Order: sequence, then C-alpha cells, then structure tokens
Amino acid sequence: DTGVSQNPRHKITKRGQNVTFRCDPISEHNRLYWYRQTLGQGPEFLTYFQNEAQLEKSRLLSDRFSAERPKGSFSTLEIQRTEQGDSAMYLCASSPGARAGELFFGEGSRLTVL
Amino acid sequence: GENVEQHPSTLSVQEGDSAVIKCTYSDSASNYFPWYKQELGKRPQLIIDIRSNVGEKKDQRIAVTLNKTAKHFSLHITETQPEDSAVYFCAAYAGGTSYGKLTFGQGTILTVHP
Repeated sequence: DTGVSQNPRHKITKRGQNVTFRCDPISEHNRLYWYRQTLGQGPEFLTYFQNEAQLEKSRLLSDRFSAERPKGSFSTLEIQRTEQGDSAMYLCASSPGARAGELFFGEGSRLTVL
Repeated sequence: GENVEQHPSTLSVQEGDSAVIKCTYSDSASNYFPWYKQELGKRPQLIIDIRSNVGEKKDQRIAVTLNKTAKHFSLHITETQPEDSAVYFCAAYAGGTSYGKLTFGQGTILTVHP
C-alpha cells in the first residue's frame, strides 16, 4: 500500500500519560499535515511541514503538543500530559507540492484518554 | 484566517433523487476547493475538486460549482445511490505551491434511502 500510513490506529491511555503517533506519508510528497477530528466535526488543522520545516502551528496546538519531521519523511506527533479533551481522531495527510491543496489522508490514530 | 460554513448539516434523500450541499468561505485568497467523502471509521477521501479559474466541474454523477464573487461553492450528486450515504466535507485552500492549508466545513451527513 503506497498511501499514507498512521500508527497506532487506536490508543487508550490514562490522563497524564504521554502518547506519540507516527505518520508515514506518500514517499514523493514533500508536504505533511496533522489534523484533529472530533465526532461530528470537520478536520481541524494542527500543523504543517514542508520537508523538515514546520511552517505553521495552529492555536489548537498547545505547549503539550509537539510535532517533528526530522528528515523530511515520516512525522511524529507527541502529546504530553494527556487530558480527556485530547480524545479525538488524529489525521495525517500528505500533499504533492505541484498540486497545492490536494491532501491524501491516512486512516487516522484514534486517541481515548480515560 | 479562513472560515468555511457548510449547509445543511444533515440531508436525507430517496434513492435516485439529487442532493445538493452548499459551502461559503471567507478568504478571497482561497483558490482551491475540494470535497471529501468520509464513511464511518474511514479516512476522508477526495471525490472532486475545483480550482478558482473554473466555474464548474463534473465527474459522472457528481459536480461542483464555484461562484468566486459570492464566495460560495456547491456539490451536486445526481441519481443518488445508497452507497453515497456518508459524511461529506467541503474545504477551501488558500496558498500556492510553497505554502497553504485546507480549512474544512463542519460536514453534511447524507443518507440515501433505498
């Protein structure tokens, strides 16, 4: 499968624990996005990378959230000291630079904070 | 920043009828407008898109129209089938080949009754 891959697909954790999600984009895509989706809502933008550079972070991304894309390939999203309000689906998407805006999504990582 | 409003939030039609979903956007710099279909527990999938230099695009039973002056765009599905039942999201993209992000609407739950 050459699509966007995310893992783990599901994560259940206790409040206060740290979690990390990984995203492997489509190999030739230089742009990578993280979105958060809660039930009944559209995806909300969190952050965006072009190659290894993090170009924008949403106000939704508090100090407890950090994202990296160290070599311009895969990306990680870490949430420290999780809170119940962090429960959501975390979607990763990648995009080819030549077709601006055309995002290809992964299946998502569902986080449940107890 | 960009704000995308989507209506209706739910839409119920009989098989064979047409369905129309409407979106408005706020940022006049937005130049790309994709539509995503998301089935329960699945990733959002791009079904059709339109760039700002055209007013209408059609792909078999689905079509999208864009009115840049009024800042609104619509999705039209004809001859609906039960497998069209899903959540549909519109989105607007402001940016070029070097930078930009998608802002999503709140979604429309489409139910097609056999």
